[in-house]
This record gives sequence, structure tokens and C-alpha cells, in this order.
Amino acid sequence: DQQVKQNSPSLSVQEGRISILNCDYTNSMFDYFLWYKKYPAEGPTFLISISSIKDKNEDGRFTVFLNKSAKHLSLHIVPSQPGDSAVYFCAASENYGQNFVFGPGTRLSVLP
Amino acid sequence: DVKVTQSSRYLVKRTGEKVFLECVQDMDHENMFWYRQDPGLGLRLIYFSYDVKMKEKGDIPEGYSVSREKKERFSLILESASTNQTSMYLCASSSRIQGGRYEQYFGPGTRLTVT
Repeated sequence: DQQVKQNSPSLSVQEGRISILNCDYTNSMFDYFLWYKKYPAEGPTFLISISSIKDKNEDGRFTVFLNKSAKHLSLHIVPSQPGDSAVYFCAASENYGQNFVFGPGTRLSVLP
Repeated sequence: DVKVTQSSRYLVKRTGEKVFLECVQDMDHENMFWYRQDPGLGLRLIYFSYDVKMKEKGDIPEGYSVSREKKERFSLILESASTNQTSMYLCASSSRIQGGRYEQYFGPGTRLTVT
């Protein structure tokens, strides 16, 4: 049973618009969440993180929102660019640990 | 920049062969990980290591073993490759960042095909 879920396998967005990628989790002990971005034939690269003491973290065009009561987080990309086209993985850990549980990923396509 | 390298980008092996996947990191990280990535399943942890000669099973260790004789090198071994081990294999190392949290750095991956 997956503890971290990304229910949309794929998402297409027009360039310049907002991309919203969603992630749900079941383990209430998770207290640290990350988003990774992966291009084909490359390893995932860290994008942005949030700890459970916050409900929002922003880094340039990327913002992650955490709703602990709903066990839900989302990644917003504004404005979306064609170079953002990749697979995005949501990951979570307990006790700020280093063993992360990854979701299945969402493939984002940003159309010019 | 942290660098995690994997010995091969693509490998084709036959059923029953013994397969070695090598991973090297150059940042003196204590912690190293092996994942496999499959469509619809994301990254699943096979084994990890917190120190030299130390190993811990992840979520899917069956059919795999690991070796960590030196801090910078973590090897994944498929004792007798099977077709269901065809996958993308990703190595990672991690370090503690500010606030006491960890961040993982990944290698480019090895696409293994077992025929």
C-alpha cells in the first residue's frame, strides 16, 4: 500500500500558465517533504522541500503548500516553462530522517 | 558540486547472470542508497548503508545484495538476474543540511535489461 500517492500520472499545461502537482500521504508521522524533478536518462534532482512546521515554502517560480490535516501537499510552478517538462516525484520522511518514501511521479508537459 | 556516478548507463544481461552495479560519490557522505524506478511505482528502496561495511534492507531487497567496503563506493549485486529485475537503478548519497534535515543526491541511473 503506497504511503505517498500522486494520483495524476500526467499533466499538460500551456507555457506561462500555472502548473499544480498534487501529492497525498497516509502516514501521519511524516514530517518532512520534498519534491524532486527528473529528466529522461538523468537522476532525480532536488527541487524544493517543506517541513511540517510550515504550510508554505517558496523558491522562485516554485511554491510548495502543505495541508497537514488533509495529508496533502502541492507544488505550484508559476509561470510554467517548456524546460519544466519532466517527471516530478513527491517524497516524505519521518523524524526528519533520511529514508524517504517516494510517490509514483507525475509527468508534466509544458506546451509552447 | 556533489557528484554521484554509476559505472554504466545501460546494461544488457542474460537470465541467471551475476550482475554488479557500481556507485561512487565524491562528497564523503556517510549514507548511500540503491533504488529501482519502475513506471507507476516511483522509486523503491532496495538497500541502504549508513557506514562502511554496514547495510540495511529497504522495501524490496529480495534478489539483491550490496557491498560497501569503502566509504565512497556502494555496489548493488544481482546474484542471479531475472527478467523481473529489468528496471532503472538509481544510486543516491545523502548529507545533513541546515536544520538537521537530509538531502539526497542521485546518480544518473543504470538502465538494466535482463533477457
